[in-house]
Amino acid sequence: AQSVTQPDIHITVSEGASLELRCNYSYGATPYLFWYVQSPGQGLQLLLKYFSGDTLVQGIKGFEAEFKRSQSSFNLRKPSVHWSDAAEYFCAVDPNTGFQKLVFGTGTRLLVSP
Amino acid sequence: DTEVTQTPKHLVMGMTNKKSLKCEQHMGHRAMYWYKQKAKKPPELMFVYSYEKLSINESVPSRFSPECPNSSLLNLHLHALQPEDSALYLCASSLEPGGQGAEKLFFGSGTQLSVL
Repeated sequence: AQSVTQPDIHITVSEGASLELRCNYSYGATPYLFWYVQSPGQGLQLLLKYFSGDTLVQGIKGFEAEFKRSQSSFNLRKPSVHWSDAAEYFCAVDPNTGFQKLVFGTGTRLLVSP
Repeated sequence: DTEVTQTPKHLVMGMTNKKSLKCEQHMGHRAMYWYKQKAKKPPELMFVYSYEKLSINESVPSRFSPECPNSSLLNLHLHALQPEDSALYLCASSLEPGGQGAEKLFFGSGTQLSVL
């Protein structure tokens, strides 16, 4: 079945430490891949996206993600987390069927400790 | 202007009420979307409008009725809702409805709806 999996419901990271959020997808072909961030009660902001080409993509706010076809993964990373990064992070997939139909993972809540 | 504006921000309604959610963008985007997000869950697509025509309805109950009066506006009319319809309703837009032209969705801040 087609799906997007974020295995970590919550992650707590110390401020200044590195971060990696995991995302795996299950689709027949390589879909378009996205990471969004959402603060409580707010809409979603696009952090970065992957369509094709270089498998390491840079995004806003110092985030990057690496597409690994062999592992069907698109993990999000940041070398040094700031307290303002605390939020919900969603991995999303567009199966590229003609209309943009984003399918979101279940999300990972990032908590940042002092 | 790179914003998607949703009004109202909060809405409380009874099960017999009729209300409408409004979404507006002035970025010249030709695709607009409604998503529903229950608490602590990911957003789920409800409707897609492409060039002011309804293109996708994800089997949404008829008590939700979308409308796209022009290329900048998207409404969601609500009637006879149930308490389980309480959620954050997110509007989004993109330059094009599909392919790499739709590479970026711009989301509004949402309308937090409570059905009593």
